[in-house]
Amino acid sequence: DIQMTQSPSSLSASVGDRVTITCRASQSISSYLNWYQQKPGKAPKLLIYAASSLQSGVPSRFSGSGSGTDFTLTISCLQVEDFATYYCQQSYSTGTTFGGGTKVEIK
Amino acid sequence: QVQLVESGGGLVKPGGSLRLSCAASGFTFSDYYMSWIRQAPGKGLEWVSYISSSGSTIYYADSVKGRFTISRDNAKNSLYLQMNSLRAEDTAVYYCAREGDTGLLYWGQGTLVTVSS
Repeated sequence: DIQMTQSPSSLSASVGDRVTITCRASQSISSYLNWYQQKPGKAPKLLIYAASSLQSGVPSRFSGSGSGTDFTLTISCLQVEDFATYYCQQSYSTGTTFGGGTKVEIK
Repeated sequence: QVQLVESGGGLVKPGGSLRLSCAASGFTFSDYYMSWIRQAPGKGLEWVSYISSSGSTIYYADSVKGRFTISRDNAKNSLYLQMNSLRAEDTAVYYCAREGDTGLLYWGQGTLVTVSS
């Protein structure tokens, strides 16, 4: 199985900050990497697919980069509604796996 | 619009069984692979099982293999998860999600399964 490791597991930030979350795969997954946002009591929401493609309707302050084993989700200017937990997911192999999550909290 | 609605969750004793359902609407169900994904209280997301559009290809996570069975009825636009020999560690919110080339774009609202004596 492909293991996905996210860091940090949590972070505190202020509105307007630039936030970066990293995700590392245990083997190369090309660009088969997706990012999700989850708020308490809600299903995850797809933000980024194929490592860097912005899902329709998602604000442009969200961006993704990377390929192979190392990936990054960046929020360029954090907004109040962005405080949530973020997960990466590899879709390279059947039996998808998720990272452990990064909780973005208000400083 | 696309809708996925799970049902069938509840409280069950260890060793018991439960059958979850996911009713799909707003898209051609028979065209899409589907997955079940779960989330234990306060924990991250864990993929459980996956079924191809025709039902001919099925995969399970090792943690549920031999105990859970995924199935679908394309005529009823429905996805199912039969869960047997339930354990405390199966306690979670179970989501159904539509697979796609661009990730898991559509998810249900989830149904809570609690395994406890």
